Amino acid sequence: NAGVTQTPKFQVLKTGQSMTLQCAQDMNHNSMYWYRQDPGMGLRLIYYSASEGTTDKGEVPNGYNVSRLNKREFSLRLESAAPSQTSVYFCASRINSNEKLFFGSGTQLSVL
Amino acid sequence: GQQLNQSPQSMFIQEGEDVSMNCTSSSIFNTWLWYKQDPGEGPVLLIALYKAGELTSNGRLTAQFGITRKDSFLNISASIPSDVGIYFCAGANSKLTFGKGITLSVRP
Repeated sequence: NAGVTQTPKFQVLKTGQSMTLQCAQDMNHNSMYWYRQDPGMGLRLIYYSASEGTTDKGEVPNGYNVSRLNKREFSLRLESAAPSQTSVYFCASRINSNEKLFFGSGTQLSVL
Repeated sequence: GQQLNQSPQSMFIQEGEDVSMNCTSSSIFNTWLWYKQDPGEGPVLLIALYKAGELTSNGRLTAQFGITRKDSFLNISASIPSDVGIYFCAGANSKLTFGKGITLSVRP
């Protein structure tokens, strides 16, 4: 049982480049989330999808877009990467609200 | 918005000691969760609490859901070197709110 799988594990981009972070879960969870983690800031919610077909902004959505491709997959896109987007990105999922959240192993992104 | 307070930012203990971490909020939560994050990995769920006053153990870990629903604590007994990591609390209603985490160091 793989749980939450994120790819890639590491990525380096130049300012202005675009890329998509992929996330898939095999737990039949309804809700999926993208967080970024920065030193001293904890985990901040970028976007989430409460159920297939819906997406909503979180705390820090600017500069990002998401797609809930199907129930399993939730991707995060940076259209024009900026150095401020250098961070560790985590995808997470849970079956429903008020339930436990399960995390992927993270993507370490550096924007030069 | 909802915020969770975890302090101090870092804790240093000796192997074998017990350690307790608190998490407080001005908001009420329906669920409290405690996670541990190892370097280079995502947070892993340690304990989930669903009811005010609930006390739950997982091996050497014990956590409680505060009666007011605005706080929770995590206790680690007889610490070992592999307990090092970042410990996050999270409160859940329709969304999850995370504390900023406490980095625990254990001296052998």
